Amino acid sequence: AQSVTQPDIHITVSEGASLELRCNYSYGATPYLFWYVQSPGQGLQLLLKYFSGDTLVQGIKGFEAEFKRSQSSFNLRKPSVHWSDAAEYFCAVGPPGDYKLSFGAGTTVTVRA
Amino acid sequence: NAGVTQTPKFRILKIGQSMTLQCTQDMNHNYMYWYRQDPGMGLKLIYYSVGAGITDKGEVPNGYNVSRSTTEDFPLRLELAAPSQTSVYFCASSYSGGGPEAFFGQGTRLTVV
Repeated sequence: AQSVTQPDIHITVSEGASLELRCNYSYGATPYLFWYVQSPGQGLQLLLKYFSGDTLVQGIKGFEAEFKRSQSSFNLRKPSVHWSDAAEYFCAVGPPGDYKLSFGAGTTVTVRA
Repeated sequence: NAGVTQTPKFRILKIGQSMTLQCTQDMNHNYMYWYRQDPGMGLKLIYYSVGAGITDKGEVPNGYNVSRSTTEDFPLRLELAAPSQTSVYFCASSYSGGGPEAFFGQGTRLTVV
């Protein structure tokens, strides 16, 4: 069975500093990979996705993620965080041919002034 | 451009009561899903549907039922509410041509007392 691990439950970062959120997955083949963001009281919004091709993918709000097959990882990065980036971030995977996503437990990001 | 709409946004139920969480999407997506979100647990799939008239169980289906009579609507039914069903419920949809990229509603916060 596939699984998704987000090792960091909570990260605090200063405004203007860089941010990296980790995601590791366990699956036999390369799945579809996603990062979603959830602001307080809101639904989930797609930040970016990887299906195939270039392993560095760009998303909305200045986020990017890099797929590393050898490490089964799909880490999310942002060079300079803004206070509005405070939210919960979820990594999700979906095997090709299956339209069900599996989600990590989430990482809460706090941005301090 | 409504996307996925869930009603109600909040609800308090007494133990043993029943209710239906409504979900409708206007994107003509054939796949629809119900997830529940509990703190520190990420999202767990309750039920999903690959098209009108077709539904199947996800990871945590016990205590819930669904139906899919139209492409647009995918209601979730709780028959005998229990405190363990206190959670935030998300409906989502996706289309078969786009991989499992899911579009989410704003969620329903349910408390069972």
